[in-house]
Amino acid sequence: NAGVTQTPKFQVLKTGQSMTLQCAQDMNHNSMYWYRQDPGMGLRLIYYSASEGTTDKGEVPNGYNVSRLNKREFSLRLESAAPSQTSVYFCASSVQGEGPQHFGDGTRLSIL
Amino acid sequence: DQQVKQNSPSLSVQEGRISILNCDYTNSMFDYFLWYKKYPAEGPTFLISISSIKDKNEDGRFTVFLNKSAKHLSLHIVPSQPGDSAVYFCAANPRFGYGNKLVFGAGTILRVKS
Repeated sequence: NAGVTQTPKFQVLKTGQSMTLQCAQDMNHNSMYWYRQDPGMGLRLIYYSASEGTTDKGEVPNGYNVSRLNKREFSLRLESAAPSQTSVYFCASSVQGEGPQHFGDGTRLSIL
Repeated sequence: DQQVKQNSPSLSVQEGRISILNCDYTNSMFDYFLWYKKYPAEGPTFLISISSIKDKNEDGRFTVFLNKSAKHLSLHIVPSQPGDSAVYFCAANPRFGYGNKLVFGAGTILRVKS
């Protein structure tokens, strides 16, 4: 039972490079989310998708784009990476609008 | 300005004793609260939740208390076990008109000593 799967687990980029983080869930959830976790700040919502075909900004969307490819997959793209985007990125999913979110194990991204 | 605050960065407790983790919030629109546990190199795992229509919810060794007038919630773990050592995040959901957009606190590191 995989739950939420994120790839890659680790990545190092140079400033200005682009990168897409992948996320897939096998729980038939409608809603999916991208968060970033920084020291001393907890998790902050970047973008979310309430259902297939919809996306909306969260608290910290600048510098990111997302694509809800289908019900299972939700990707996060950094078009031109900056050192301030060095963080741990978590994808999550939930039954639409209700209940707890289930998280993947994260992608550790370092931007030099 | 942080809407969900966990003012204790860390807590150390002896095995078998009670662990009490605290969380304060400022937004009166929050009406659903959750606690997550996180081990290193893993994603957060849902632990327990409480709706604003209740003041207490229990699940085994874990109990969450909600004091709406004080905008305060707490997680009690009794008895504490070494495997409970982790980072605990409090989260709140501003349900009305916001879907399921959780707002997280900064986390509290719990260490249970054997």
